[in-house]
Amino acid sequence: SQQGEEDPQALSIQEGENATMNCSYKTSINNLQWYRQNSGRGLVHLILIRSNEREKHSGRLRVTLDTSKKSSSLLITASRAADTASYFCATHRFQGGSEKLVFGKGTKLTVNP
Amino acid sequence: GEEVAQTPKHLVRGEGQKAKLYCAPIKGHSYVFWYQQVLKNEFKFLISFQNENVFDETGMPKERFSAKCLPNSPCSLEIQATKLEDSAVYFCASSREGPDEQYFGPGTRLTVT
Repeated sequence: SQQGEEDPQALSIQEGENATMNCSYKTSINNLQWYRQNSGRGLVHLILIRSNEREKHSGRLRVTLDTSKKSSSLLITASRAADTASYFCATHRFQGGSEKLVFGKGTKLTVNP
Repeated sequence: GEEVAQTPKHLVRGEGQKAKLYCAPIKGHSYVFWYQQVLKNEFKFLISFQNENVFDETGMPKERFSAKCLPNSPCSLEIQATKLEDSAVYFCASSREGPDEQYFGPGTRLTVT
């Protein structure tokens, strides 16, 4: 089964507000990554947090990782209409002698102007 | 190139026909990944390559799906005898090293009628 279950499935906020999306996973991971998908486009890599890190920042993005709870959150501060997109978490894990990224189902974020 | 290129953008095939999709990774990237996204939901991993060698093929439905990455040629994903449920957007991604920080192409939308 797929790891990386995001919640909420959909989120609608006003421009300027903060948006928080969560991701849970089930097995041990090497790192966790967040990607964005604009409508009809491919994924864009946003940020990677390693399993020994607890928090990471990149511009208006803040990611936390709690390996004891097997969960991560993505916070977008001072949101803009251009942040409207689907956001996916992906866990890097080793499985059966191979390593891969496993993506969740995504959170659809709508930022209203 | 500086972007992952995928061709064609759209492909329509009758059930039972063959479909072939192409991907040119970013120059200097040695890993290529193929994903299937159905109805804008989760990205299902199909196969990955390290240069021309299969890195991980645990996601491939082997009966009808095959893929290659040959030197000096675009990578390809081929579906023999397409079925209705193969209708999806197929994304290719590339990376410098391993499954982290993948760069995605714009996708090929396959419609099987």
